[in-house]
Amino acid sequence: GAGVSQSPSNKVTEKGKDVELRCDPISGHTALYWYRQSLGQGLEFLIYFQGNSAPDKSGLPSDRFSAERTGGSVSTLTIQRTQQEDSAVYLCASSRGFAQYFGPGTRLTVL
Amino acid sequence: AQSVSQHNHHVILSEAASLELGCNYSYGGTVNLFWYVQYPGQHLQLLLKYFSGDPLVKGIKGFEAEFIKSKFSFNLRKPSVQWSDTAEYFCAVRPSIGPNSGYALNFGKGTSLLVTP
Repeated sequence: GAGVSQSPSNKVTEKGKDVELRCDPISGHTALYWYRQSLGQGLEFLIYFQGNSAPDKSGLPSDRFSAERTGGSVSTLTIQRTQQEDSAVYLCASSRGFAQYFGPGTRLTVL
Repeated sequence: AQSVSQHNHHVILSEAASLELGCNYSYGGTVNLFWYVQYPGQHLQLLLKYFSGDPLVKGIKGFEAEFIKSKFSFNLRKPSVQWSDTAEYFCAVRPSIGPNSGYALNFGKGTSLLVTP
């Protein structure tokens, strides 16, 4: 079946602008995760959604970052007032059990 | 601090050589362990996982990993690598019980493997 999809694949923005990144999880997967992969930092957890429960936001680096998940499926990660240090690949993963399956990522470049 | 360590950042091997990539973690208690692979230009793919039972886990493409609880290690092995194994390999740990448990994966910084013909 279809894997995790993310859009856009690449996003270039100017410092100070807001961006929205989208994730479409594997059908039937109740859990959805956002991670960030940046050079020298490896993969960092950002936020986790499980069903209708309150999300685990413990990995969000600042209040400029937020995410929502509508209808238990598609998720949007929003970064407000982007900074150059936000440049990274943003990865989405979904799972039904404990094994997480990753999407191709969105490469964000903040100029 | 709780962490996942991959000791080898860059590994270069000739085809048919044997591979072992180290992974150590510092979480106490029960853990779930994973190896992911990222081929050039592709997204992260699950290579293998350990939850419980036999500590020797076999994954896709001839890879295996051994969980040694006393050493807090989960090293990845392959007896004979191929050029197509060139990729970045990530070890990940999920503490399943204890104050650090949750659902997020904690990743090592990755090991870049280059297999030469």
